Order: sequence, then C-alpha cells, then structure tokens
Amino acid sequence: SYVLTQPPSVSVAPGKTASITCGGINIGSQSVHWYQQKPGQAPLVIIYTDSDRPSGIPDRFSGSNSGNTATLTISRVEAGDEADYYCQVWESISDHCVFGGGTKLTVL
Amino acid sequence: EVQLVESGGGLVQPGGTERLSCAVSGFPVVDNYMGWVRQGPGKGLEWVSVIYKGGTTNYADSVKGRFTISRDISKNTIYLQMNSLRVDDTAVYYCASLYCTSATCYIDYWGQGTLVTSSS
Repeated sequence: SYVLTQPPSVSVAPGKTASITCGGINIGSQSVHWYQQKPGQAPLVIIYTDSDRPSGIPDRFSGSNSGNTATLTISRVEAGDEADYYCQVWESISDHCVFGGGTKLTVL
Repeated sequence: EVQLVESGGGLVQPGGTERLSCAVSGFPVVDNYMGWVRQGPGKGLEWVSVIYKGGTTNYADSVKGRFTISRDISKNTIYLQMNSLRVDDTAVYYCASLYCTSATCYIDYWGQGTLVTSSS
C-alpha cells in the first residue's frame, strides 16, 4: 500500500515559519489533506486538497504539493500551534485512507 | 450542528468482542462515507474501516475478517463490531465522516473518541 513519510519532529521559534513535509511516490498527482491534533483532542482538518483551508482556519496555515513532496507551512508560529500534524491521501486503488506517521511540532 | 458521539469501549480480554456505536446528528449517515480511525497509545492515526453510501464496506488489512462496520439508518448510527480482539487493537477509536469528491476523500468531522483496551 501507499506510504507517506513525515519527519517525527519539527521545532520552531515563535513568530518564525515552520515547514512540515510529507513524502510519497508521485504524491503531487494526488490530493493531500492535513490534520492538526492537540493532546487529548480529536484531529481537525486544517488543509484539504493540497492547499484549501476550511472556514475558521487562519491563513497562517498553507499547503503545497508537487513531485514527491507535499508541504504544510505555518507562518508566524504561535505557542498554540504546538501539536501533532498528519498528512493523508485517499488511495483510490484500494479505497483506503492513508495517513503519514505524524510530526510533532514544538514551539521553542 | 454536526455531532458524532461514540459509545462503547472499555477493557476487553484478548480474544473477546466489543461493539462501538457512533450516533450522528446533523446529517443522514446514508449521505456520507462513514468510517472508523484508531490511534494506539502514543502512536499515529490508523485507518480501520469505511461504509459507503450504498452500504458496501472496506477494511484495513489489520482488521479484515475480525471487524465489521454497519449502520442503522433509522437510528442514524454506525457501528464497529470487533471480534477476536488482540492486544495491539488497544487504541482510541474515532468515528469519522468523510467528505469525498470523484478523486479523493478526507475527514471533515470526527467524534471525540472512545478507548478500547485489550488486555488480560
């Protein structure tokens, strides 16, 4: 089955920009979705279809997808952005939802 | 307002059974793909199962033959029947509503999660 690879952790200082990558073979040909999960809470979709934001998600969160890497970018990072972030694609061949392993974002 | 409220879960012996329920409000379950996602202790998200609008189902290889997803349209509720539970089935189980296009699906609504612990 399709494999999505994320770095286990990313650290960033407040006010700076964080980039979280999601690698997969030819992932640029697929739609990538991103979720934020804070401790003790259910995940929340923050980016869908590569770069669209649901209502209520700040424009500090953006996404891109090309080649073998999709990227979630968080600008002007705040302490409240500290969370686990997961990428996800829908594997059409198997009709399975595939998640990346998750990235823990630490705000220094 | 959309709400997905899980019930069931708890401590189950390995080899035992458990049924999870997910009561949905805000939309008819037949209008969406509905599914279950789990998260083991300290681990990432793992896809478990989906039931399509037409009622057909699909499962992750790790649970195929042991878990069954179903729905009761009159109660607007979906279920996950878990048989032959293993220690590595221990996880928080989330009920999920999927938004799908012709090309992809993502989860637009999640339940609060319910913990299933398989241990002797």
